Amino acid sequence: DIVMTQSPLSLPVTPGEPASISCRSSQSLVNSNGYSYLDWYQQKPGQTPQLLMYSISNRASGVPDRFSGSGSGTDFTLKISRVEAEDVGVYYCMQALQTPFTFGQGTRLEIK
Amino acid sequence: DVQLLESGGGLVQTGESLRLSCSASGFIFTNYWMSWVRQAPGKGLEWVANIKQDGSVKSYVDSVKGRFTISRDNAKNSVFLQMDRLRAEDTGIYYCTREGYLSGCDNWGQGTRVIVSS
Repeated sequence: DIVMTQSPLSLPVTPGEPASISCRSSQSLVNSNGYSYLDWYQQKPGQTPQLLMYSISNRASGVPDRFSGSGSGTDFTLKISRVEAEDVGVYYCMQALQTPFTFGQGTRLEIK
Repeated sequence: DVQLLESGGGLVQTGESLRLSCSASGFIFTNYWMSWVRQAPGKGLEWVANIKQDGSVKSYVDSVKGRFTISRDNAKNSVFLQMDRLRAEDTGIYYCTREGYLSGCDNWGQGTRVIVSS
């Protein structure tokens, strides 16, 4: 199985400041079609998880452009350019290249 | 709008069975793989199983192989998760998800809660 490792696991951020979450996979997530199957999900307190980013850097519908994704191969990053109070929650990376799909441990973003 | 509505959760004893259902609407059901993802209390997300559009391919996480069975009824736009020989560690919220063309889970239901008591 592909192992997904996130860091940090806890991320206190001052509103208006940037934030960055790292995700590393135990093997490349590039498919034979050339796409990388790396997603980011956001789970706000008490809510259902929602797709944030797919294929590394594509924002899901309705996601603000302060969120961006980057990386390649086995190293990926989710960035928030200016954190807002509504961004509080847990962020997960997930690989969808091969089953079983696997998630990172989650990064809890909190406001300082 | 895409809607996924789970049902069938509840409180059961160790070793018993439950059948979860997910009713889908707002999209062409037969165009998509479907998955189940679970979340134990206070824990992270765990992908459980998925099923191809025509039901011909199914995959499971190792911890549920031989105990859980995913299926779908395309005539009723529904996907199911039959859970047998339940264990305490199966306790959690079970989410029905739709797999996107380039993503794992592009839409999620609200979840159904399963509690397995020993």
